[in-house]
Amino acid sequence: QVQLVQSGAEVKKPGASVKVSCKASGDTFSTYDIIWVRQAPGQGLEWMGWISAYNGNTNYAQKLQGRVTMTTDTSTSTAYMELRSLRSDDTAVYYCARVYTYGYSFSTVNAFDIWGQGTMVTVSS
Amino acid sequence: QSVLTQPPSVSGAPGQRVTISCAGSSSNIGAGYDVHWYQQLPGTAPKLLIYGNSNRPSGVPDRFSGSKSGTSASLAITGLQAEDEADYYCQSYDSSLSGSDVFGTGTKVTVL
Repeated sequence: QVQLVQSGAEVKKPGASVKVSCKASGDTFSTYDIIWVRQAPGQGLEWMGWISAYNGNTNYAQKLQGRVTMTTDTSTSTAYMELRSLRSDDTAVYYCARVYTYGYSFSTVNAFDIWGQGTMVTVSS
Repeated sequence: QSVLTQPPSVSGAPGQRVTISCAGSSSNIGAGYDVHWYQQLPGTAPKLLIYGNSNRPSGVPDRFSGSKSGTSASLAITGLQAEDEADYYCQSYDSSLSGSDVFGTGTKVTVL
């Protein structure tokens, strides 16, 4: 059974950077993709981007372009999400999740079947 | 702002049936892209509830069902139970946002 375990809570000052890790166990890490989602306090889910653990290809949400970098280390089965130039509205719980591929037709959309426990990132002066 | 719109809240008594709508447009659901649904219990990570419009992952009770028609999708919960009280999110793909996955605005289900 695949599990994703994320790093612990972080408190950062505005303008700083944060790097959250997501360590996978129980399956071949390089065979699947990872997405990152965040959830501000009391708010909904926001898709941040996607990375292939196989070849490192990425696709980031437009609003985060230039501030976010997603990487993987297949030797340790770990995915990372770094967010730079932090602002107060980046305060959120950050989740990683595994992409579940259930088909290969035009209509097929990434589903996310295994989630990390979440990492709280607080940005405050 | 999400491109998938859900009602903020729905409620029902135990045993009743409730439905949650997910309204999209021609660049996402209406374009033929599949819809998935997630359940998020308080203080926990989301859980995949329905994938590919109407398929349940192993372990999800058959009280949960999904459907899609035109530019919208729906999640139905029959035989509502206290443990179903949670937030529910739809998710699809939108071709107008440089190609990205998108979540709905979320719906809080309250069991009366």
